Amino acid sequence: EAGVAQSPRYKIIEKRQSVAFWCNPISGHATLYWYQQILGQGPKLLIQFQNNGVVDDSQLPKDRFSAERLKGVDSTLKIQPAKLEDSAVYLCASSETSLQFFGPGTRLTVL
Amino acid sequence: QKEVEQNSGPLSVPEGAIASLNCTYSDRGSQSFFWYRQYSGKSPELIMFIYSNGDKEDGRFTAQLNKASQYVSLLIRDSQPSDSATYLCAAYNYGQNFVFGPGTRLSVLP
Repeated sequence: EAGVAQSPRYKIIEKRQSVAFWCNPISGHATLYWYQQILGQGPKLLIQFQNNGVVDDSQLPKDRFSAERLKGVDSTLKIQPAKLEDSAVYLCASSETSLQFFGPGTRLTVL
Repeated sequence: QKEVEQNSGPLSVPEGAIASLNCTYSDRGSQSFFWYRQYSGKSPELIMFIYSNGDKEDGRFTAQLNKASQYVSLLIRDSQPSDSATYLCAAYNYGQNFVFGPGTRLSVLP
């Protein structure tokens, strides 16, 4: 069974530029999560989708971050404009029950 | 603010010893608890989960849960250098979401 796929794996941008990340969850997993993990910290939930509906986006900085999950499968997370403090690994995870599985992550560096 | 706390470490143990990792959580409504292993530069990998008070064993790993004390632990028996990683504890409240701790860095010395 294929795992969670993410792309790109690495991205370097300058502040005030925009960036987008893509995630394809494990087949059949209705729930999809985006996390931000800053070096030395645990993952912080940004947004949770159940199929194509948003369950929780309380920690998403909505002035600059947006996410969508069209058709309840793939998802994209966008940052516009990026700030230096957005440098982190962006992890996508999916789950069918309470067991969630992570993708490889996208390491974002904002210069 | 719901929190999960862990000692950041590093926790150093000799090869073959038992490593004991601890976690406390603030949300009494949390019902499920998870341990993830994260190697440097990699994403978290689920290694154990526990729902009920008591112990749950899987190979060299034992998870322990005490809901009254809001305490979760992970024991790793016969620790190997390959167990050196950061271990993340997460609490889950059904209908809400996962809350992760900051992780404990474990170093197993050959």
